[in-house]
Amino acid sequence: GEEVAQTPKHLVRGEGQKAKLYCAPIKGHSYVFWYQQVLKNEFKFLISFQNENVFDETGMPKERFSAKCLPNSPCSLEIQATKLEDSAVYFCASSQQQGSTDTQYFGPGTRLTVL
Amino acid sequence: GDSVTQMEGPVTLSEEAFLTINCTYTATGYPSLFWYVQYPGEGLQLLLKATKADDKGSNKGFEATYRKETTSFHLEKGSVQVSDSAVYFCALSDRGNFNKFYFGSGTKLNVKP
Repeated sequence: GEEVAQTPKHLVRGEGQKAKLYCAPIKGHSYVFWYQQVLKNEFKFLISFQNENVFDETGMPKERFSAKCLPNSPCSLEIQATKLEDSAVYFCASSQQQGSTDTQYFGPGTRLTVL
Repeated sequence: GDSVTQMEGPVTLSEEAFLTINCTYTATGYPSLFWYVQYPGEGLQLLLKATKADDKGSNKGFEATYRKETTSFHLEKGSVQVSDSAVYFCALSDRGNFNKFYFGSGTKLNVKP
């Protein structure tokens, strides 16, 4: 598609429950990025993929967060045993090529609320 | 490490006023610089970008010039409209750091009729 698609738009989970978010990058884009937007608009980088391979995972809290990008499937970000502090908007972005000049195109985000 | 600093908002202007939103950056390599805009309830939309020193990015009346000597990328518009009300984010991408984006904290712009 021509836009990055993210589902669901909203997700509510009780503390300790699992949450799974999905992202379909723009067709033909090889790179996928996940960001977490918390209070006061702060963006935190989580992980990036080059096709189905992890490119950079330096931002991932590895104890409870995992992510995948499998061929012919939407990418996913999964949080096991959610905590209150995981409440945020999670954005996915895709870019066509590797390069700092390359624009990242963002999806509309998934708002996760942990109660 | 890489970082972006933006002026704190909110910024409130009357329609047709001149807009400046300051952005400065710190980077270890040779970053590209971007401005994104976020309307309420929506994702980020690219507004403009510049990929090397002295480049000027422009779009929809907005402009920003990549100033390496002052490590700045200030956003300007000569005459704002009510429809420009949104949150504006300055960002950098550093090819020496896996091209992940570093964002400023965002500046909310309110334009009154």
